[in-house]
Amino acid sequence: DGGITQSPKYLFRKEGQNVTLSCEQNLNHDAMYWYRQDPGQGLRLIYYSQIVNDFQKGDIAEGYSVSREKKESFPLTVTSAQKNPTAFYLCASSVGRSRNQPQHFGDGTRLSIL
Amino acid sequence: GQQVMQIPQYQHVQEGEDFTTYCNSSTTLSNIQWYKQRPGGHPVFLIQLVKSGEVKKQKRLTFQFGEAKKNSSLHITATQTTDVGTYFCAVPPQGSGNTGKLIFGQGTTLQVKP
Repeated sequence: DGGITQSPKYLFRKEGQNVTLSCEQNLNHDAMYWYRQDPGQGLRLIYYSQIVNDFQKGDIAEGYSVSREKKESFPLTVTSAQKNPTAFYLCASSVGRSRNQPQHFGDGTRLSIL
Repeated sequence: GQQVMQIPQYQHVQEGEDFTTYCNSSTTLSNIQWYKQRPGGHPVFLIQLVKSGEVKKQKRLTFQFGEAKKNSSLHITATQTTDVGTYFCAVPPQGSGNTGKLIFGQGTTLQVKP
């Protein structure tokens, strides 16, 4: 979606290296999410944030970290502790705390190991 | 724990044939959302169903929510090559309150032969 920008589109990580994936939104959404997608698989939630300066672990948070210092930005760091980081990473946002709001996705970042 | 099962995992059809994917939950749902992800792309929200027995149509796509609110289906009439992609259902986790979180099914990948 045009309102969510993820960068870079492709990223390569060396062994023992931390890398940070950028996610910026101009939709004025309160909630933001990070998902991991493996080939032929569904989306698994890594972290989510409902408000600035607050975030919660999702189902597969180990080896990842996030920050939410600004409403527009929710960067994801893939740390060296994540032993199998090769995947497609998707950032999404939604209006806020509600069960009935659709999520809007960025174009994703493909991360590979060198 | 809560499970969301989508079947079939893959479907190959001849252009012009119909297609249906099913989403089944182990628990009663407050609502269900459907997304489409084109090859190499990101998920795009299609529709949300909230009411028991609800049926919604978008051109050749028909979405249904079961009477017991535990299952849903997406039916495409007379498929076209533009329908190629993976279709995901997504539901709010039970007991998650108003977090906006979603659990995604594994998806059904549709291939259409011209």
